[in-house]
Amino acid sequence: AQSVTQLGSHVSVSEGALVLLRCNYSSSVPPYLFWYVQYPNQGLQLLLKYTSAATLVKGINGFEAEFKKSETSFHLTKPSAHMSDAAEYFCAVSSNRDDKIIFGKGTRLHILP
Amino acid sequence: DTEVTQTPKHLVMGMTNKKSLKCEQHMGHRAMYWYKQKAKKPPELMFVYSYEKLSINESVPSRFSPECPNSSLLNLHLHALQPEDSALYLCASSQDLGDLKETQYFGPGTRLLVL
Repeated sequence: AQSVTQLGSHVSVSEGALVLLRCNYSSSVPPYLFWYVQYPNQGLQLLLKYTSAATLVKGINGFEAEFKKSETSFHLTKPSAHMSDAAEYFCAVSSNRDDKIIFGKGTRLHILP
Repeated sequence: DTEVTQTPKHLVMGMTNKKSLKCEQHMGHRAMYWYKQKAKKPPELMFVYSYEKLSINESVPSRFSPECPNSSLLNLHLHALQPEDSALYLCASSQDLGDLKETQYFGPGTRLLVL
């Protein structure tokens, strides 16, 4: 069965610094992977998704993620953090056994002025 | 238009009340979902509808009753809830089931407080 693990429930970076949010997946078949963002008191918004077309995926708001099969990782990065990036970020994988998305536990990103 | 709307935004109800949450999308999506999200946790799937028929029920208590009157609308009827049911209820939709690459589009949620 597929699963994702997000390393670090809280990550703090300074404004202008690199953002790196870690996600590792477990899957017996090629996975489809997603990063969602949830701003306070809002629903989830898709940042980007990996569908095997390209290993480096660019998303909205300057975020990108690289699929690395050898490391079973799909880490999310942004070169320069903005205060508006403060939110909860969820990595997710599509389950190949049923029509579900399996979410990681989430990482809260804090931006320091 | 990639918008999923949900009403109301906030709801406070007593344990003996009956209320309904509403969700609407006009993207022509044929799959719709209800999730429950507790604070600082990921969303938990409750129900999935496909072509207006219930496809998945994640063993949700019967005090939650979903309904899909047409392809654009999804309701969640609430009756005799418990305080532990207080949470953010998220609706989502996707083009269809069966395609693992499909994106789910989420609404802003209804924040429910049960007293």
